[in-house]
Amino acid sequence: NAGVTQTPKFQVLKTGQSMTLQCAQDMNHNSMYWYRQDPGMGLRLIYYSASEGTTDKGEVPNGYNVSRLNKREFSLRLESAAPSQTSVYFCASSELRVDGYTFGSGTRLTVV
Amino acid sequence: DQQVKQNSPSLSVQEGRISILNCDYTNSMFDYFLWYKKYPAEGPTFLISISSIKDKNEDGRFTVFLNKSAKHLSLHIVPSQPGDSAVYFCAASGGAQKLVFGQGTRLTINP
Repeated sequence: NAGVTQTPKFQVLKTGQSMTLQCAQDMNHNSMYWYRQDPGMGLRLIYYSASEGTTDKGEVPNGYNVSRLNKREFSLRLESAAPSQTSVYFCASSELRVDGYTFGSGTRLTVV
Repeated sequence: DQQVKQNSPSLSVQEGRISILNCDYTNSMFDYFLWYKKYPAEGPTFLISISSIKDKNEDGRFTVFLNKSAKHLSLHIVPSQPGDSAVYFCAASGGAQKLVFGQGTRLTINP
């Protein structure tokens, strides 16, 4: 099925460990995004990529890095995980505003 | 600085009645507004949108109203069905396509 695929679905990390969250879309969208969802905070933008080869910080970029590997793939890296990064992470892609975003099913990350 | 606010964390409505979800925004540069629906363990899915040049948009049981002077939008669902039980997020953008989301409202439809 067409859409946005995120891996892994679940992950538990120890404080200080690193990991990369993977995201791929097969809709030929130019723009891709990483959001985190926390209780009472809604969805907050971490990083986005308006087009292949470009990335920009969002509202909460500290502690994260991203790579737009090609048009399909946009990864999110935690270099040294902290408990404050425990969250549900969503990747999304879009083309035209009228269509909104298409979201992946999320990665639930716990940092202990 | 929360630019998009959903002040009701939860709402309970009887099946068949109208559900009204509210959203307020502060940034006057926002010109496009969307509602997303989210079920547990799934990503949000696009529901309905409205441009700032309109004050109403309908799609089946779902209607979004925009009051620009009050910087307020609402989502009406009528009649409400059990499958409508979900978290609803309001979102807004202002030209750069990036969406700013509200905190979400959990809607529960009771039989």
